[in-house]
Amino acid sequence: EVQLVESGGGLVQPGGSLRLSCAASGFTFSSYTMNWVRQAPGKGLEWVSSISSTSNYIYYADSVKGRFTISRDNAKNSLYLQMNSLRAEDTAVYYCARPRDVGSGYSFDHWGQGTLVSVSS
Amino acid sequence: DIQMTQSPSSLSASVGDRVTITCQASQDISNYLNWYQQKPGKAPKLLIYDASNLETGVPSRFSGSGSGTDFTFTISSLQPEDVATYYCQQYDNIPLTFGPGTRVDIK
Repeated sequence: EVQLVESGGGLVQPGGSLRLSCAASGFTFSSYTMNWVRQAPGKGLEWVSSISSTSNYIYYADSVKGRFTISRDNAKNSLYLQMNSLRAEDTAVYYCARPRDVGSGYSFDHWGQGTLVSVSS
Repeated sequence: DIQMTQSPSSLSASVGDRVTITCQASQDISNYLNWYQQKPGKAPKLLIYDASNLETGVPSRFSGSGSGTDFTFTISSLQPEDVATYYCQQYDNIPLTFGPGTRVDIK
């Protein structure tokens, strides 16, 4: 069974940093592009970042470019999101998302339960 | 960036009704369009991929159609468990973008 379990969320002050993790199991993690998607309270879904299977291709939404860094450790079946210079508008539930097959990076058939990041003083 | 619009933003229908949601892209995205269902407090669930393909395990009352810039999502016979928000998502271009969502309730 495919499982994605996020951790690392919490309350942080504006300008602070957090590192999110996503532990993957039940599939060959090293074969899949992985993604972070977020959802602000009461709002819609926003794609944040994507990393290819071997980390060769990395993409970010303009809203986080230069502040967030996506990475992965295929030996540990883990995906990460280092978030720096956090702003109030980064407050959201952050989901780790896996595409439905190795050839399709962007149709997400498996999602984690989400981890809440709250940025407030 | 490709902008995605959805209409209506919300709807209320009776059990058994046919429900249709439209999604429009700001430029041609071929068939690179997904539909998700999200229930309160839960992660989204993929229902339709590549505009018209039903994800494994998803009831056949859900369907999708369209290509280019105009897409349609249909629930052929609304059920109580279909109360949720539905999102379209394009993956023709990075950044991936989602529509604003359509909330579906039971009348």
